[in-house]
Amino acid sequence: AQSVTQPDARVTVSEGASLQLRCKYSSSGTPYLFWYVQYPRQGLQLLLKYYSGDPVVQGVNGFEAEFSKSNSSFHLRKASVHWSDSAVYFCVLSEGGTNTGKLTFGDGTVLTVKP
Amino acid sequence: EAAVTQSPRNKVTVTGGNVTLSCRQTNSHNYMYWYRQDTGHGLRLIHYSYGAGNLQIGDVPDGYKATRTTQEDFFLLLELASPSQTSLYFCASSFGGWGAETLYFGSGTRLTVL
Repeated sequence: AQSVTQPDARVTVSEGASLQLRCKYSSSGTPYLFWYVQYPRQGLQLLLKYYSGDPVVQGVNGFEAEFSKSNSSFHLRKASVHWSDSAVYFCVLSEGGTNTGKLTFGDGTVLTVKP
Repeated sequence: EAAVTQSPRNKVTVTGGNVTLSCRQTNSHNYMYWYRQDTGHGLRLIHYSYGAGNLQIGDVPDGYKATRTTQEDFFLLLELASPSQTSLYFCASSFGGWGAETLYFGSGTRLTVL
């Protein structure tokens, strides 16, 4: 069975600092990986996704993520965070190539950016 | 920009009550989904559909029914609500069900079962 682990339930960083949110996955097939963000009182929005090619993918608002097959990881990074980046971040895994539309969500990481 | 609208925004009911959550998407997406979000569990799939009249079972379907009446509308029904169904419910849609599809989420319905 596929699974996603986000080992850090909460992360606090200062504004302007760099950020890495960790994600580890387990998949028996081809992994399709996503990062979604949930701002307060809103639904989830896609930040970026990976399904093939260059292991470093760029997303919105300066976010990027790096896929590593050898480490089974898909960590999210940002060079300089802003207070508006405070939100919950979800790493998501899909059963690649199938038509089930089913995703496996990590438990989320709550990011707090201190001014 | 894909639009997914959920109603109501908040709902309070009693144990054994009957609840319907509504979702409408206006982007001609084929797939629609109902998730519940609970602290420590991320999002879990209840039911999904790939077209009007179609229903597929998700990962946590017990106690829930769903119906896709049109391409746009997907409803989640709790016929005998229980306190364990107190949760934040999200509807989402996508054009296809292929692995790399982007999901577009509504703003959620917070359900409290007393």
